[in-house]
Amino acid sequence: AQTVTQSQPEMSVQEAETVTLSCTYDTSESNYYLFWYKQPPSRQMILVIRQEAYKQQNATENRFSVNFQKAAKSFSLKISDSQLGDTAMYFCAFMNSYSGAGSYQLTFGKGTKLSVIP
Amino acid sequence: KAGVTQTPRYLIKTRGQQVTLSCSPISGHRSVSWYQQTPGQGLQFLFEYFSETQRNKGNFPGRFSGRQFSNSRSEMNVSTLELGDSALYLCASSLRNPNYGYTFGSGTRLTVV
Repeated sequence: AQTVTQSQPEMSVQEAETVTLSCTYDTSESNYYLFWYKQPPSRQMILVIRQEAYKQQNATENRFSVNFQKAAKSFSLKISDSQLGDTAMYFCAFMNSYSGAGSYQLTFGKGTKLSVIP
Repeated sequence: KAGVTQTPRYLIKTRGQQVTLSCSPISGHRSVSWYQQTPGQGLQFLFEYFSETQRNKGNFPGRFSGRQFSNSRSEMNVSTLELGDSALYLCASSLRNPNYGYTFGSGTRLTVV
């Protein structure tokens, strides 16, 4: 079974600064998908960024980018120019690429609570 | 475009009762998944449906069940509620292959007393 580990339970960053959230995972598969989700106090999980394991290029979405190190099984999220609205729980998640048993399900880490300080 | 709608938002039930939670996915989305979120266990996968068929089920007891209707709306049912079932239940939908990412609803907060 896959596992996802987020080693930073809480982090804080000054507004306009850059912060990096860490995530490591364990799998024996060669192809899979990785995600970062954001959960603000409104409770709704919002997809921040997605990475396909077979793609070498790191995914980027505006101020959000990832550092995907496949050999090290590491998938960190960098938030640039942090804004007050970035305050939320951030979850790293893994999904297999195959169909059948165990497919189509997200395995989540425990989350990192990020606070952006004015 | 309406998002994923979950009803009710809050629910209080007594131990031993049963409960049904509802989820309306984004129009056109055919894959619907359910997750349980608790402070202790975090986010755990319950089940996933596509075109009325359950394709995958998480490691939960048989008291947890679900179904999907022809219009892709989904319900999950928990029978014989236990205190440990208190949680935020999240529904998520996907247009096609969930590998592209899910859109989540705001959840139903279930409290069992």
